[in-house]
Amino acid sequence: NAGVTQTPKFRVLKTGQSMTLLCAQDMNHEYMYWYRQDPGMGLRLIHYSVGEGTTAKGEVPDGYNVSRLKKQNFLLGLESAAPSQTSVYFCASSDRESTGELFFGEGSRLTVL
Amino acid sequence: EDQVTQSPEALRLQEGESSSLNCSYTVSGLRGLFWYRQDPGKGPEFLFTLYSAGEEKEKERLKATLTKKESFLHITAPKPEDSATYLCAVRVDYKLSFGAGTTVTVRA
Repeated sequence: NAGVTQTPKFRVLKTGQSMTLLCAQDMNHEYMYWYRQDPGMGLRLIHYSVGEGTTAKGEVPDGYNVSRLKKQNFLLGLESAAPSQTSVYFCASSDRESTGELFFGEGSRLTVL
Repeated sequence: EDQVTQSPEALRLQEGESSSLNCSYTVSGLRGLFWYRQDPGKGPEFLFTLYSAGEEKEKERLKATLTKKESFLHITAPKPEDSATYLCAVRVDYKLSFGAGTTVTVRA
């Protein structure tokens, strides 16, 4: 029962470096999401996708890019990391009929120095 | 602007001491209110969906209720394993907007 898998789980970057977070789901879900979670601020939506080949901006998209080339994968990229992007990143997926019931991965903790 | 506010931020309970968490929301056209549980170092886990005022859902020691402006998560006779952060969220289009959560600690 893999569900939603995120890699890597931990990463330390220097300011200006780039990296990609990978999210993979094995539930054949249409919708996928990237959130960031910061203390006292809850989960904030970065980008989301309603199907293969589609992406859309969420609440805090600046500094991030995403791609959904395959239905099961949703990639989050940081082109030039900044200390403000230090956070825990969560990927989630849901099927078309119940878009309020999200299945989350275990998170990726990113530190930007 | 759509907003979700949870209170209190933290709640410390003795085992068996029942209490309630609050989630107030301002959203145009509510399409569902959702409760999640999050354990330290883990992703949130879905608990309940509520769609209309007056609706209630139960799961073990948890009961969620919904009014036109807020939702409550009641914890009855909690046990230490109920310790977690509880998040509520409202659905806006295809997306969920989350509150900051209430961290519940239950002492034996």
